[in-house]
Amino acid sequence: SQQGEEDPQALSIQEGENATMNCSYKTSINNLQWYRQNSGRGLVHLILIRSNEREKHSGRLRVTLDTSKKSSSLLITASRAADTASYFCATGFSGNTPLVFGKGTRLSVIA
Amino acid sequence: DTAVSQTPKYLVTQMGNDKSIKCEQNLGHDTMYWYKQDSKKFLKIMFSYNNKELIINETVPNRFSPKSPDKAHLNLHINSLELGDSAVYFCASSQEWSGGAPGELFFGEGSRLTVL
Repeated sequence: SQQGEEDPQALSIQEGENATMNCSYKTSINNLQWYRQNSGRGLVHLILIRSNEREKHSGRLRVTLDTSKKSSSLLITASRAADTASYFCATGFSGNTPLVFGKGTRLSVIA
Repeated sequence: DTAVSQTPKYLVTQMGNDKSIKCEQNLGHDTMYWYKQDSKKFLKIMFSYNNKELIINETVPNRFSPKSPDKAHLNLHINSLELGDSAVYFCASSQEWSGGAPGELFFGEGSRLTVL
């Protein structure tokens, strides 16, 4: 399966703490993307990292990619209650192949 | 302006009925998708269209038929609905990257289908 696997499945932290979510995949990728889904809403794109990149930042988000280990991590620093959501990694492959999503990590940030 | 809009947001129907979900994007993207999200939040690709042409048709029963009248619209018609079709269906669009990989996906808000 080309599907990514997020770890952990669920994460509960206090406001102000950092949250780290991991994603592992099995085959070579063109890019890897992270999305957020609030309850009852559609997915929202957070960051795209290409296979030749190792790290990207966007505000309080930091994404790393290790292609040798076929893994990526998403770090949310100084978490807020509003960060409570499900987070999905999605792997992008060349050749008209749509993104393949993992099963997601449910993050709960407690105020 | 909503980038990707899909209707209806909620759909409750009886087994055996036929229903449609509509999707429109105003982003000028070439590629549109239908994803199905089950009760465990697992998101699975169903169809992918590029410039009105079907590119991907994953293992989906032929009761599901996508239709793309133009590249801004991708509708999903479902015949003879079954209990297992209950899920949230998401439409999305993207612009293809160089190298043929999809760039950022823009999702609609989802259509929750409940089959009784």
